[in-house]
This record gives sequence, structure tokens and C-alpha cells, in this order.
Amino acid sequence: QKEVEQDPGPLSVPEGAIVSLNCTYSNSAFQYFMWYRQYSRKGPELLMYTYSSGNKEDGRFTAQVDKSSKYISLFIRDSQPSDSATYLCAMSRINSGYALNFGKGTSLLVTP
Amino acid sequence: GAVVSQHPSRVICKSGTSVKIECRSLDFQATTMFWYRQFPKQSLMLMATSNEGSKATYEQGVEKDKFLINHASLTLSTLTVTSAHPEDSSFYICSAISPGTSGTSADTQYFGPGTRLTVL
Repeated sequence: QKEVEQDPGPLSVPEGAIVSLNCTYSNSAFQYFMWYRQYSRKGPELLMYTYSSGNKEDGRFTAQVDKSSKYISLFIRDSQPSDSATYLCAMSRINSGYALNFGKGTSLLVTP
Repeated sequence: GAVVSQHPSRVICKSGTSVKIECRSLDFQATTMFWYRQFPKQSLMLMATSNEGSKATYEQGVEKDKFLINHASLTLSTLTVTSAHPEDSSFYICSAISPGTSGTSADTQYFGPGTRLTVL
């Protein structure tokens, strides 16, 4: 079993829709949780990060972490065509030297 | 924000040759850099951790003699794929840690744009 599971999609939504992206994980030692956006043939760009459980909001993006269920989510409100990309969840342990464990990424297409 | 560059952005080589990929932190000094590999529609897989002035730490299953890493300065790490074969064709991405910031692992790790390697 992979430590981080993420449905690769693709996920297609109309412009303006609320998008929900999710990951599950198996290692209870993960404490830092991140979401990255990756456009085709580009490196990942950090969108959101949270430490331990809880919610965090930044503009149209909301990240949620439920450590009891080992489940994290990223919500995108008022989705735009420019949000079309692959979204990767990533996690790390305390004292892991910043090494990240990534999910496979979910491909999102927002249609005008 | 901090910028990490990679060179070349793409390279095509013949089987059996060696290829060097550079990763540079442009506006900060990075004591730690990471090298990842990403196959199509797959996750980023950590290959190795590169620490300035010391030997790299390789993940299980990654051949250290095939993937040579040199972190000779605080702004440059290189990955050399030796005797490349078609199965080494992949997207190689580096990241760099900017020290002395907030201390959380996420907001101090910056990724390069990646290098696409194709081995014929």
C-alpha cells in the first residue's frame, strides 16, 4: 500500500463550480500537509500547507486536514479555466529533513 | 519568492551516454536540495537528498553509482545520469530548502521547473 493515495482523475468541472480534491494516507507520523499545483511540463508550485489537523483558507482555496481519518482535502471555489492543472498532495514527518511524500496527483479541467 | 532553476529544460541522448542536470538556487543559499523523478501520470518520487559538502543520501532502490549527485556549493547541485538507458527517460525535478525562514517544511522548499530526459 502506498503511503499517500490520490485519485488521478481526470476531473472535469464547469467554470464557477466548487472543486473538491482529496488524499488519504496511511502513515500517522505525517504532520505537515501540502497541496501543490503543477502545470504540464513544469515544476510543482506550493498552494497551501497546514500543520496537523484543521482548516486553512487562502482566497479561493481551502485546505482541510482530518488526522483521525487520515484524510486531507483541497477545495477550490469559483473555479476558473486557469485552475486547470494537476494538483498534488504531499506530506512529511517531523524531523524528516523536509523530504516530501507525494500523491499521484489529480488532473483537473475547468471548462469555460 | 525564492527561485530555483534547472538546466537543461530538456535533453535527448543516446543510450549509454551520460547526462548532467544542474539545479541552482538563484536568490538564496540552499544547504539541502532534493532530486525527484516523475514518470508520466505518476507521482514525484524522491530519489536522493543532497547536502552541501557531504555525500548524498539515496532512497531505497535508487542506484547511487548510476545517479551521481554533487552538491559542491550552496547554490548548485548536479545530477549525472551515467550510462543512460531508455528506462531512465523521465521528468527530473529538483527542489531546494531555503534555511532560516519560518521553520515549517512546506514554505521553505522551492521546486525547479524540471528537466525532461529522453534516452533513445
